[in-house]
Amino acid sequence: DTGVSQDPRHKITKRGQNVTFRCDPISEHNRLYWYRQTLGQGPEFLTYFQNEAQLEKSRLLSDRFSAERPKGSFSTLEIQRTEQGDSAMYLCASSPTTLSYNEQFFGPGTRLTVL
Amino acid sequence: LAKTTQPISMDSYEGQEVNITCSHNNIATNDYITWYQQFPSQGPRFIIQGYKTKVTNEVASLFIPADRKSSTLSLPRVSLSDTAVYYCLVGGQGSSNTGKLIFGQGTTLQVKP
Repeated sequence: DTGVSQDPRHKITKRGQNVTFRCDPISEHNRLYWYRQTLGQGPEFLTYFQNEAQLEKSRLLSDRFSAERPKGSFSTLEIQRTEQGDSAMYLCASSPTTLSYNEQFFGPGTRLTVL
Repeated sequence: LAKTTQPISMDSYEGQEVNITCSHNNIATNDYITWYQQFPSQGPRFIIQGYKTKVTNEVASLFIPADRKSSTLSLPRVSLSDTAVYYCLVGGQGSSNTGKLIFGQGTTLQVKP
């Protein structure tokens, strides 16, 4: 299966710790998105990359959050000084420029629990 | 981006056709209508997209009336494995659009045996 992969799938951490998640998009997908989803809600957009350029960031992405896509392939999302409110599923999605913007391929997500 | 309204939940039985309607009264001229499906503990999966009239693929059909203020996702002969949350999204295709998807709460479909 050559879909979007995310690592780790689950992360439990203590409040105040830093965490980093990785997303490997489908090969040759230029566009990469991060979303966050809390229980009972739909995913919320966090940030968007086209190749290595971060072109949009949501206001949800506070100073404690940073995302990178250094070589235009995989991406990382780091949360510093985690808070209990950061507990959520973090989803990565990718798409090629040959497809509609609205057709995105999502990974399985990383579930973060902050104790 | 246009706001969407869809039922919070629906129940159905195996073998029935399910129709989920979504309202989007403020849809813009360049907006497309897209539906996603999400199973528990998985990321959403693109189902279908359309602009007007009817679109059909191997999974579902999408009906869009002429005024485009609503749309209906039709799932033929559902099975237990179609139990999921279904999201209706409305968004544009323009080059200035980054493609961020705006999800609502979705419709939780429960298929019973």
